[in-house]
Amino acid sequence: GQNIDQPTEMTATEGAIVQINCTYQTSGFNGLFWYQQHAGEAPTFLSYNVLDGLEEKGRFSSFLSRSKGYSYLLLKELQMKDSASYLCAVRWGNAGNMLTFGGGTRLMVKP
Amino acid sequence: NAGVTQTPKFRILKIGQSMTLQCAQDMNHNYMYWYRQDPGMGLKLIYYSVGAGITDKGEVPNGYNVSRSTTEDFPLRLELAAPSQTSVYFCASTLRGVGDSGNTIYFGEGSWLTVV
Repeated sequence: GQNIDQPTEMTATEGAIVQINCTYQTSGFNGLFWYQQHAGEAPTFLSYNVLDGLEEKGRFSSFLSRSKGYSYLLLKELQMKDSASYLCAVRWGNAGNMLTFGGGTRLMVKP
Repeated sequence: NAGVTQTPKFRILKIGQSMTLQCAQDMNHNYMYWYRQDPGMGLKLIYYSVGAGITDKGEVPNGYNVSRSTTEDFPLRLELAAPSQTSVYFCASTLRGVGDSGNTIYFGEGSWLTVV
């Protein structure tokens, strides 16, 4: 199967930096996405990585290492509104470009 | 732009009833997906389609059926509803996979289904 692992919950302080990790099996990898999902809402796109390295977009950055099957989402200058679930998703090129999600990481930002 | 439209938004079904969740996109996307999300969990892929006339099973297809007769529509059918199918269902669509830029995966707003 296409296993994707990420921590279930994390807690951080307003203004701080938090890193959310995601690991996946490397076979068939064809792109990794990070999504933010607030309770009761649909996921919204944050970032996309298909090549190794860091992609920066404002307060959010995402890193990918294809050889290690590893990605992280970095959130800087945390705000209370960043409290949400963060979903790592991988597209599998050897499975018709099927897109599967990890279980999500629930982030709580405290004052 | 309507994007991805799902209906209904909320539905209560009795055990054994059947229903269809509708999904339509107006972006001419090739790929469409159906996911379910149980409380506090990630999204599980039910079925997906890479184009009209082509569908494939995802991670949790049992109890569901799909069809893709047009590029725009990708309905999800529950034939004999069971309490285990109580969940939030999301439809999504994207352009062709290989070489695609990452920010073109669009989600519908979700359909909350309760089976009692």
